[in-house]
Amino acid sequence: KQEVTQIPAALSVPEGENLVLNCSFTDSAIYNLQWFRQDPGKGLTSLLLIQSSQREQTSGRLNASLDKSSGRSTLYIAASQPGDSATYLCAVRNNNDMRFGAGTRLTVKP
Amino acid sequence: GAVVSQHPSRVICKSGTSVKIECRSLDFQATTMFWYRQFPKKSLMLMATSNEGSKATYEQGVEKDKFLINHASLTLSTLTVTSAHPEDSSFYICSASGERKADTQYFGPGTRLTVL
Repeated sequence: KQEVTQIPAALSVPEGENLVLNCSFTDSAIYNLQWFRQDPGKGLTSLLLIQSSQREQTSGRLNASLDKSSGRSTLYIAASQPGDSATYLCAVRNNNDMRFGAGTRLTVKP
Repeated sequence: GAVVSQHPSRVICKSGTSVKIECRSLDFQATTMFWYRQFPKKSLMLMATSNEGSKATYEQGVEKDKFLINHASLTLSTLTVTSAHPEDSSFYICSASGERKADTQYFGPGTRLTVL
């Protein structure tokens, strides 16, 4: 059974810093990996989707990498802003289901 | 991207009653829909996977007689929480995807269920 782990569980940084969130998974036979943002009490907002054949995806200040063989993905956020404060979830798709990590709760202080 | 809606967004009910939550894909045909449950400050836990026209596949530990899932069309799946109890209070999120395994899952905004 796929296990997805996210480190750290919580992170607090001053505005303007670059930061990296980590995600690891135990079964490398994945179809894709997705990073989401979740604001308190809200649903999920998809940030980046990396197919198994890809190494990275970029969108604005966000860059996600995927190393399938080592079972790792990182989400890099450049020049963080207070509006980036949220919980970031990574999810891995195997077969017909998606498994989520517990998330990293990010706080960006003004 | 594709849009998935959920209704209602919030529901409060008394213990013992049943509650139905709808998940709709608004602009694409969803061959597969997923139902997740999220406890406060926890990640999403997959409850079941449903394919249009067939019975849902439930994850281990999820009571299929308590959480009834129906996926009657390519745009609608419903989750009915039967004989709800306070411990069923949670945030329920659905997602929908196409028929290919590599297809993106599109998530609904979630439904907050509170059982008194």
